[in-house]
Amino acid sequence: EVQLVESGGGLVKPGGSLRLSCAASGFTFSSYSMNWVRQAPGKGLEWVSSISSSSSYIYYADSVKGRFTISRDNAKNSLYLQMNSLRAEDTAVYYCAREAAGIENWFDPWGQGTLVTVSS
Amino acid sequence: DIQMTQSPSSLSASVGDRVTITCRASQSISSYLNWYQQKPGKAPKLLIYAASSLQSGVPSRFSGSGSGTDFTLTISSLQPEDFATYYCQQSYSTLRTFGQGTKLEIK
Repeated sequence: EVQLVESGGGLVKPGGSLRLSCAASGFTFSSYSMNWVRQAPGKGLEWVSSISSSSSYIYYADSVKGRFTISRDNAKNSLYLQMNSLRAEDTAVYYCAREAAGIENWFDPWGQGTLVTVSS
Repeated sequence: DIQMTQSPSSLSASVGDRVTITCRASQSISSYLNWYQQKPGKAPKLLIYAASSLQSGVPSRFSGSGSGTDFTLTISSLQPEDFATYYCQQSYSTLRTFGQGTKLEIK
């Protein structure tokens, strides 16, 4: 079964840092691009960042560029999101999602999400 | 960045109704358009990819159409389990973006 499991969320003060992890299983992780998507409480989905299968291509939303860093370890079947200089507006459930191989690039499956709360 | 605009933002309908949700891109995205369903407290689920292809396991009452800038998601006969929020997403640009969502509620 293809599965993604996020971890690392929690309560952090403004200006603080947090590292999220996403453990993948049931597929050849090293063959797929991966993404982080977040959802603030009561709000819609916001794409955060993507990383290609070999980490050659990395992209960020403007709202997190310069503060967040996406990375992966294909040997450990794991995706990461290092979040620095956190702000109240970064409070959200963070999902990891696999990107389809090929050119259409839809997201499937998604993990269950991990909640990040930025508050003093 | 490519902006995605969904309409309506919310919609009330009854079981058995035919429902259409629209999604408009700020520039042409060919057929690089995907639809997701999200229920409260759950992760989004892929329904339609590449504008009109039905994801495996998704009921055939769901369909998608469109290309360029204008797209639609249609549910032919609403079932109780279809009441949820629906999002479109473009995968044309490397900076993926989502629509703001359409909340489908029971009338």
